[in-house]
Amino acid sequence: QKEVEQNSGPLSVPEGAIASLNCTYSDRVSQSFFWYRQYSGKSPELIMSIYSNGDKEDGRFTAQLNKASQYVSLLIRDSQPSDSATYLCAVRTNTGNQFYFGTGTSLTVIP
Amino acid sequence: EAGVAQSPRYKIIEKRQSVAFWCNPISGHATLYWYQQILGQGPKLLIQFQNNGVVDDSQLPKDRFSAERLKGVDSTLKIQPAKLEDSAVYLCASSPRPRGAYTQYFGPGTRLTVL
Repeated sequence: QKEVEQNSGPLSVPEGAIASLNCTYSDRVSQSFFWYRQYSGKSPELIMSIYSNGDKEDGRFTAQLNKASQYVSLLIRDSQPSDSATYLCAVRTNTGNQFYFGTGTSLTVIP
Repeated sequence: EAGVAQSPRYKIIEKRQSVAFWCNPISGHATLYWYQQILGQGPKLLIQFQNNGVVDDSQLPKDRFSAERLKGVDSTLKIQPAKLEDSAVYLCASSPRPRGAYTQYFGPGTRLTVL
């Protein structure tokens, strides 16, 4: 059983601050890593994917991957109230093309 | 490009009844997933299809759940008989390629309430 762990939160940050979301995974053969945003009552939507060690930036979002530590994070700069949602970390194994999700971290951005 | 379609969007049944969900993936997507998301939890993979073959159904409660993917396109997920703990959102997702760097696209989900 692959395990993906996230701090369930809730995490609260003031508007304009940096929100930091963390995720660890147990399966060393995991190859691809994804961050999804899920608004209440909606389905998950992809915001970032990362496949190599290091940082990947897309607008206000930065994903960081450290395969040696089995750790992936998401930074949200200049947080906005519209960023308030649950953020799901997902990993994909290279064999079988299977996805495993964490339980999600609830983020609230306070105006 | 049309997204992943699911129906119905909501379903309320009594325990021990049966229910079926339908999913139509994005055109051309070879891989189709069914997830169960219980309130407050992340999605849990129930079954994964590659074209019309099953890749992984290790977490599917096979005594009550069944799924098929006809002709490698549409898919149905059935629960018979339903239990109270089956109350959840059932998400269908599809991916364009079986290997390599890619992502999955989710449908709107079916919210099931078992009374």
